[in-house]
Parts: sequence; C-alpha cells; structure tokens
Amino acid sequence: GAVVSQHPSRVICKSGTSVKIECRSLDFQATTMFWYRQFPKKSLMLMATSNEGSKATYEQGVEKDKFLINHASLTLSTLTVTSAHPEDSSFYICSARALRSSDTQYFGPGTRLTVL
Amino acid sequence: AQKITQTQPGMFVQEKEAVTLDCTYDTSDPSYGLFWYKQPSSGEMIFLIYQGSYDQQNATEGRYSLNFQKARKSANLVISASQLGDSAMYFCAMREGYMDSNYQLIWGAGTKLIIKP
Repeated sequence: GAVVSQHPSRVICKSGTSVKIECRSLDFQATTMFWYRQFPKKSLMLMATSNEGSKATYEQGVEKDKFLINHASLTLSTLTVTSAHPEDSSFYICSARALRSSDTQYFGPGTRLTVL
Repeated sequence: AQKITQTQPGMFVQEKEAVTLDCTYDTSDPSYGLFWYKQPSSGEMIFLIYQGSYDQQNATEGRYSLNFQKARKSANLVISASQLGDSAMYFCAMREGYMDSNYQLIWGAGTKLIIKP
C-alpha cells in the first residue's frame, strides 16, 4: 500500500510554455500533498503544502503565480509551472500524507523538468 | 541552528557489512516523529522506517533498524548485511507535532552510501 504516482517522469519544454505535473495517491486518500523541488546533490526543498479543496500554502520565496497548485480531489494534486524558464529546470517530487499511525509522507517517483 | 544533522556526507562500506548512518535532531516539541528515506539514483524517495517520540522500542523493518537514543537526540539508521542495491542517498527527516493539520518534514542534508563489492 501507500503508492504515489507522478506524471510525467520527464519533460522537456521550450521557454515560455507551461507544464503540468500530476501527483496521484493510488491506494489511499491523501488530504494533504506536498510539492518539493530538489537541486542536484541537495536535500528536498518544500515548495508548497496542498490541502484538498483549499488553497495551497506556499513557502517563502516560492511564487504562487508561477507554480500553480490544484488539489481537487483526495487522490490528485497538480503542479503547473507557468511560463517556464531555464532556471525552473529541476527535479520536482510530490508526496502524499497517509493518515496512519506513523503519519508518513509517501513520495512519487519525481519529474525531471528541463526548460530549453 | 540545524534541526536535523547528518554528519556523514558520504560513506563506503563493504558488501555484507553492517552500516550505521548518523542522524541527530533538535526539537523542543515532546511529540515528534523521525523518518528515514532512501533515494537511489533514479530519484524516487523510498520510505524506510519511522520512529515516534513516544515509542518505547526501537523501530525495525527487515534489514533496517533505528537506533533511537532520545536523551542524546539521535536516530541512527542501521542497515544489516548490506547489499549492492543499498547504494543510494539516505535522508533523515523529522516531523514536529503529531497529526497536525499542516505538518512539514524537516530534512537532513543526506548521506551518500556506496556499497563496495
């Protein structure tokens, strides 16, 4: 149990275009999902916390208008990188919070975004 | 101040040997949780083991065990009988509070473990 999928796994796009990344909890309901960004050889950097049916909470320094998050159902959250630029190239990874005794975050496989 | 400290940026270990990855934490919250995740080169973050602050016994999951020393605020991961497939980045993380509505994980910098054949 506790499987999280993420799609696409890899995307290459032109500068100025928008890219949508989906995060799904496959076998459990996730009232809370998290979006992280990871730079090479670094730890995870939390971008935003997404609660089902409400607006996402963004971390300081993360532009909410650039990184649009929608958590429309208990199993799906999406991150849209709008008007992407080369500096947005990164590894984006989502997690879903499983409300069990350990209250663990389970992660998707990540999305490698390259903006040309 | 760092809330999660992993002092070993990298480690080389011979296959079949046991490995201890260090993690120390800092919190004033009496209720917290400690997690270990493995991140292979593919990038996925794999949950390994969890220890709650009120848990009386050290957590174990197969070859993984957590050496929880509350007074020292340490939560070292022990991997027994290491395998080549254990080569990966390992992250220690902490959640402060329990079942809070918007908790976050605080992450360590990670330890890169390489298992030598």
